[in-house]
Formats: sequence, structure tokens, C-alpha cells
Amino acid sequence: QQQVKQSPQSLIVQKGGISIINCAYENTAFDYFPWYQQFPGKGPALLIAIRPDVSEKKEGRFTISFNKSAKQFSLHIMDSQPGDSATYFCAASPAGGGNKLTFGTGTQLKVEL
Amino acid sequence: DTGVSQDPRHKITKRGQNVTFRCDPISEHNRLYWYRQTLGQGPEFLTYFQNEAQLEKSRLLSDRFSAERPKGSFSTLEIQRTEQGDSAMYLCASSLVVSNTIYFGEGSWLTVV
Repeated sequence: QQQVKQSPQSLIVQKGGISIINCAYENTAFDYFPWYQQFPGKGPALLIAIRPDVSEKKEGRFTISFNKSAKQFSLHIMDSQPGDSATYFCAASPAGGGNKLTFGTGTQLKVEL
Repeated sequence: DTGVSQDPRHKITKRGQNVTFRCDPISEHNRLYWYRQTLGQGPEFLTYFQNEAQLEKSRLLSDRFSAERPKGSFSTLEIQRTEQGDSAMYLCASSLVVSNTIYFGEGSWLTVV
């Protein structure tokens, strides 16, 4: 059972454009929602994270939007750059339970010049 | 570099052989996690430790898999009688009990031939 659904599977954006990746979850016990960035051959690196008590969090060019009632959250990358080309994973973990993360299936982002 | 360290980074083994991976977490982190990631998929939780205690194991962790964290510092993940389906990247991660932020290592790639 896939508890975190992520879309799109792949995304091509022009340099300077906005990249948007969406995730939806089912488990209402989830209360922490991070996004990870992964380059080929490397481990995932934490990009930004949000809790459901806020609807938006911004760090530099990266913004998470969170809709608790719809059980959806999204990552926006403003002014996308070629260096942002990577695979992005949304994830979720429940309160307690050792912070065990459930990941989405990933979005392969390519930013073209 | 004081991040999560994994060794070896790459391992090629013949089917039926045993392999062992080592993980050194960030020094003050008391939680340690193992995940498995196959190509095109997000990481999947295998098990986690809090100090030396193994608190949860996924159904993905068959009897051929064993993980230890004997002194609450480094951890090992052993796979006995490897099968081709075990080919994947094995990711170690660590965190503080009081924090949701989980930091991943670079991963150990296993290829079973």
C-alpha cells in the first residue's frame, strides 16, 4: 500500500521557470513532511520540511505549500537552475514511531538552458 | 566530514554469499536507520535503532537480514545467502531523538550476480 503518492514522475522546466511537484498522503497520523533531493549515485539530502500547523514554508528558492484538509503538499522551486536537475522525493512520518519516513516514488527534474 | 559514513560504497557479490555493510552515524545521534532503495523508487524503511536497541523491523527485512548496533554507535547490516533481488542501494541514516530531521549517508550499492 503506497501511503504517499507523488507526481509527476518526471518534469522538464526551462531555466528560470517554476518547478512544481505534488504529493498526497492518506495516513492522518503523519505530522512531518520533508522533501529530499537526490543526485545520481548519492544519498538523499534534506531540502526543506514542514509540519501541518503551517500552510507554507519558504527557504530561499524552495517553498512547501501544505493543504491539511486535502492531505496534499507540494514543492515549488522558483527560478529553477540546471544545478537543480535531480530526483526529488517527498516523504512523511508520523508523530512518535521513531520518525520512520515513508517516501513517495520520486520526480526526476531536468532544468534545461 | 562529520556526516553519516557508509562502507563499502560498492559491493559485487555472487549469489549465495554473505555481505556486511557498516554505518557510522553522526556522532551525537542516538537514532540510526537502514533503508533500501532500488532504481527508480524511493527509499524503503528496513529497521531502526535507538541507541543499541532495535525498536522496529519492516516486513521487508527477511530472516536473511540482520542488523546490529552493539554499542549504540556504529551499525552493521548483514545479508546472508544473497539473492539477485537483494541488489539495491542500502542507505543508512541518523537523527537525534528530539528531532525529526534525518540525515542520510551516501549509500552502499550491492550488486548480486
